[in-house]
Amino acid sequence: KNEVEQSPQNLTAQEGEFITINCSYSVGISALHWLQQHPGGGIVSLFMLSSGKKKHGRLIATINIQEKHSSLHITASHPRDSAVYICAVSEDSGYALNFGKGTSLLVTP
Amino acid sequence: DAGVIQSPRHEVTEMGQEVTLRCKPISGHDYLFWYRQTMMRGLELLIYFNNNVPIDDSGMPEDRFSAKMPNASFSTLKIQPSEPRDSAVYFCASSSGSGANVLTFGAGSRLTVL
Repeated sequence: KNEVEQSPQNLTAQEGEFITINCSYSVGISALHWLQQHPGGGIVSLFMLSSGKKKHGRLIATINIQEKHSSLHITASHPRDSAVYICAVSEDSGYALNFGKGTSLLVTP
Repeated sequence: DAGVIQSPRHEVTEMGQEVTLRCKPISGHDYLFWYRQTMMRGLELLIYFNNNVPIDDSGMPEDRFSAKMPNASFSTLKIQPSEPRDSAVYFCASSSGSGANVLTFGAGSRLTVL
């Protein structure tokens, strides 16, 4: 089973700061997902990527396949970005996702 | 599309009772997933279907859990008999196409077993 590790576990930032959340995995994958879970509990898919970099608004996701590592960056953070960010991977051998434990982000005004 | 629809949103039941959770995937999506989320273990895959056929149920904790997908627009996850350790949020998600694709999650069903 793919071991998915996220860091940091918890993160507090002030509004406007640049934020980075990291994800590493142990086995080759077909894709990596970044998910966002708000305090209300709903889960939203932010990115799915298998190489390179993707950008959506203030969010940027990168992946390095050789190093088995991905980062999620938030530029100009805002209190509404406060959520749990979850990294998940699907392995080459299958479709099921293995999840990291999540990074809890709090952005203060 | 209304997205992935789950019901009930909240369920409180007593140990030993049968629980049935329901999911309606997005029309046209051919993959459906059931996940469980707890504080201790985070998100875990229970089972997934492709074209209504169960593909991998290795995450189903034990025989008390069963899942069905009688048609492309409906799936159920049943727990019988329920136990307090089954208390969790159960998410259904669907996606389109083969391989890894973007998932759309339902709002979840929060189950409390007393």
